[in-house]
Amino acid sequence: EIVMTQSPATLSVSPGERATLSCRSSQSVSSNLAWYQQKPGQAPRLLIYGASTRATGIPASFSGSGSGTEFTLTISSLQSEDFAVYYCQQYNNWPPAFGQGTKVEIK
Amino acid sequence: EVMLVESGGGLVKPGGSLRLSCVASGLSFSTYSMNWVRQAPGKGLEWVSSISSSRRYIYYADSVKGRFTISRDNAKNSLYLQMDGLSVEDTALYFCARDLTGSGYFDPWGQGTLVTVSS
Repeated sequence: EIVMTQSPATLSVSPGERATLSCRSSQSVSSNLAWYQQKPGQAPRLLIYGASTRATGIPASFSGSGSGTEFTLTISSLQSEDFAVYYCQQYNNWPPAFGQGTKVEIK
Repeated sequence: EVMLVESGGGLVKPGGSLRLSCVASGLSFSTYSMNWVRQAPGKGLEWVSSISSSRRYIYYADSVKGRFTISRDNAKNSLYLQMDGLSVEDTALYFCARDLTGSGYFDPWGQGTLVTVSS
């Protein structure tokens, strides 16, 4: 089974600053990588699929990159509504696997 | 708008059973693979089970294999998860989620139903 590792566990960022989140897979997942955002008390929301394609309605401030085993989610200018937990998920191999999450908090 | 609404969670003793339901609206339910994903309190996401649109393909996480059974009723736009032999480790918020393209990523998700296993 593929293991997904996210770093850092917690990222402290000031509003308006850029946030860069990392996700690594234990073996290549090609570009079959998704990112989700989860706010407290809410369900996860799909942000990115195919490593870099924004889901419907997701603002351009969110961007994804990478392939193989190394992936990045960048939030270009953090807004108050962007403070949340972010998860990556590989869907290249069965079973689907999530990272442990990165919490983006207000600095 | 696509909506998924879960129900059936609750408090159950170890060894007990529970049946979760997820009702879908705003989509052609019968054309999508569906999934259950869970989240233990304060923890991350764990995929639990998947069922294809025609019910031909069914998969389970090793942690629930042999204890949980996924099913669906396309006529009722409904997804189910029969959970038997529950243990405290199964305590979690259970989400149903659509496999958007059949590729294995999920959108949207329901709000979840809480399962608590405790004596």
